[in-house]
Amino acid sequence: AQTVTQSQPEMSVQEAETVTLSCTYDTSESDYYLFWYKQPPSRQMILVIRQEAYKQQNATENRFSVNFQKAAKSFSLKISDSQLGDAAMYFCAYRSRRGGGADGLTFGKGTHLIIQP
Amino acid sequence: GAVVSQHPSWVICKSGTSVKIECRSLDFQATTMFWYRQFPKQSLMLMATSNEGSKATYEQGVEKDKFLINHASLTLSTLTVTSAHPEDSSFYICSARTGLGSNQPQHFGDGTRLSIL
Repeated sequence: AQTVTQSQPEMSVQEAETVTLSCTYDTSESDYYLFWYKQPPSRQMILVIRQEAYKQQNATENRFSVNFQKAAKSFSLKISDSQLGDAAMYFCAYRSRRGGGADGLTFGKGTHLIIQP
Repeated sequence: GAVVSQHPSWVICKSGTSVKIECRSLDFQATTMFWYRQFPKQSLMLMATSNEGSKATYEQGVEKDKFLINHASLTLSTLTVTSAHPEDSSFYICSARTGLGSNQPQHFGDGTRLSIL
């Protein structure tokens, strides 16, 4: 079974600064997906960024980028130029690529990101 | 596009009653739907995976007879919490995936807050 670990229950950053959220995972599979989801107080799950394990290039989406280290099984999220609207719970998630319907998401425990004005 | 609607968004009921939660894909056909449970300030835990027209696959530790899942059409899956008790109070979120391949993204509903008195 796969596990996802987020070791930072809470992080705080000044507005306009950069913050990095950590995530490590454990799997015996070689092909999979990794995600970062944002969950604001409304509890809607919002996809922030996605990484395919076979791609060496780190994914980027505007102010959001990841540092994917496959050998180390590490997948951190960097948020640049933090904005007040970035305040939320952030979940790291793993998804197998095996298919056959066995691709539900495994989530980490989440990091509560606080943006200080 | 790719909108998933979940209904109801909040339900309060007495202990011992059964509660049905609907998850609908509004603008795509969802061959696979997933049900997650989230306790307050905790992560999402996969409960079960349902494929249209077949029985749901439950995760270890999830009671099949307590949480009945039906995926009778390509746009609707239902989760019925039978004989609900206070410990079943939680936030339930569904997600839906189109296509047969595991590379298709999952789209989340807005969740249902279930409170059992």
